[in-house]
Amino acid sequence: QVQLQESGPGLVKPSETLSLTCTVSGVSISNNYWTWIRQPPGKGLEWIGYISYSGSTNYNPSLKSRVTLSLDTSKNQFSLKLNSVTAADTAVYYCAKNEGFIDYWGQGTPVTVSS
Amino acid sequence: DIVMTQSPDSLAVSLGERATINCKSSQSVFYSSNNKNYLAWYQQKPGQPPKLLIYWASTRESGVPDRFSGSGSGTDFNLTISSVQAEDVAVYYCHQYHSIPWTFGQGTKVEIK
Repeated sequence: QVQLQESGPGLVKPSETLSLTCTVSGVSISNNYWTWIRQPPGKGLEWIGYISYSGSTNYNPSLKSRVTLSLDTSKNQFSLKLNSVTAADTAVYYCAKNEGFIDYWGQGTPVTVSS
Repeated sequence: DIVMTQSPDSLAVSLGERATINCKSSQSVFYSSNNKNYLAWYQQKPGQPPKLLIYWASTRESGVPDRFSGSGSGTDFNLTISSVQAEDVAVYYCHQYHSIPWTFGQGTKVEIK
């Protein structure tokens, strides 16, 4: 079955770059669309952006200047980079597969921005 | 951006009773070209990722109990749990995937009375 697993540092310093990777199993990333979503502590869901199987991207305009999504088809992984982070970027970050609606989610990884 | 507004923010329901959550979008999420509403519902339990319940406003995801149903069109949608069970305690979110940026409702917390 389809499974996704986020990995990356749980603590990032302010002004630095948050980097996360999502490892996908059970399906090829070359055939689908892939998304990052985050959830600040005790709050709701915010869509960050998605990347297609061909590498085309769509980002939330509120984050567009700081976000980069990429694919590594050789490893069946996709990645998120968010630069110039602040405390407001503290959240649980989810990677997911989407068909528009989001049908598979990773378990999420908490990231804290703090010095 | 399309703003998604859910009501109520929280809901306490007796076991076996019906629960209805409303989601209103600030713009229509309907595409006449394919006659589809780009609206999904998710259930999130504490410490877990959201789980897809409903997509295209009314299509139940495989494996989701049939007590969950979605309805509505355009800008006004409902998620109904026909007979609430203890395992339905969770926060429920609506999500529009019609326009970028995709947006979510603020969530509705369902508890047992």
